[in-house]
Amino acid sequence: GAVVSQHPSWVICKSGTSVKIECRSLDFQATTMFWYRQFPKQSLMLMATSNEGSKATYEQGVEKDKFLINHASLTLSTLTVTSAHPEDSSFYICSARGIAKDTQYFGPGTRLTVL
Amino acid sequence: RKEVEQDPGPFNVPEGATVAFNCTYSNSASQSFFWYRQDCRKEPKLLMSVYSSGNEDGRFTAQLNRASQYISLLIRDSKLSDSATYLCVVVVGQLTGGGNKLTFGTGTQLKVEL
Repeated sequence: GAVVSQHPSWVICKSGTSVKIECRSLDFQATTMFWYRQFPKQSLMLMATSNEGSKATYEQGVEKDKFLINHASLTLSTLTVTSAHPEDSSFYICSARGIAKDTQYFGPGTRLTVL
Repeated sequence: RKEVEQDPGPFNVPEGATVAFNCTYSNSASQSFFWYRQDCRKEPKLLMSVYSSGNEDGRFTAQLNRASQYISLLIRDSKLSDSATYLCVVVVGQLTGGGNKLTFGTGTQLKVEL
């Protein structure tokens, strides 16, 4: 089946630094990619939706200047957490839909810990 | 009211038991429904889609009741490997409809024991 990869799988950083997470669709073209965040014992919450070549659409309450999303190609989207703080520590998961749009594939997630 | 609600559990059941989870959704315009499975510290993985007529995949049976706006998942002859969190997922409209997005419930934790 389709595969979505994320890198890095986990990262620990100091407060105030920026962290970039990459999401790649390995064997299909992802016209739409989604970024989710999941806090412990909570559900996945959609942060933003991005379509290749256009600006991301952010969910209510998600700061677009803090969570920068770039979807420059049909196989790559990046999420940059700028000036990360301990409250940004979470499990970040990307997801991608192919051209057919009938299935959504999830990456393995990135666990971010901000000290 | 949450868009998608589930009993968080945990449901502790012995191996071989039958267990059922329910999920309710609030938006009557929802048209696509799924059950996902999420193991600890892993990404969610699609278990099965849910159709109005009900559908079965091996030991798993999913049902949709549109009138009451609830979805169920039945697991028969549960295995130790079934231990996971089961996420109910709803889409307003069809998944193929452009920017339609998945809305996740908080999940129901299942623990299958010897």
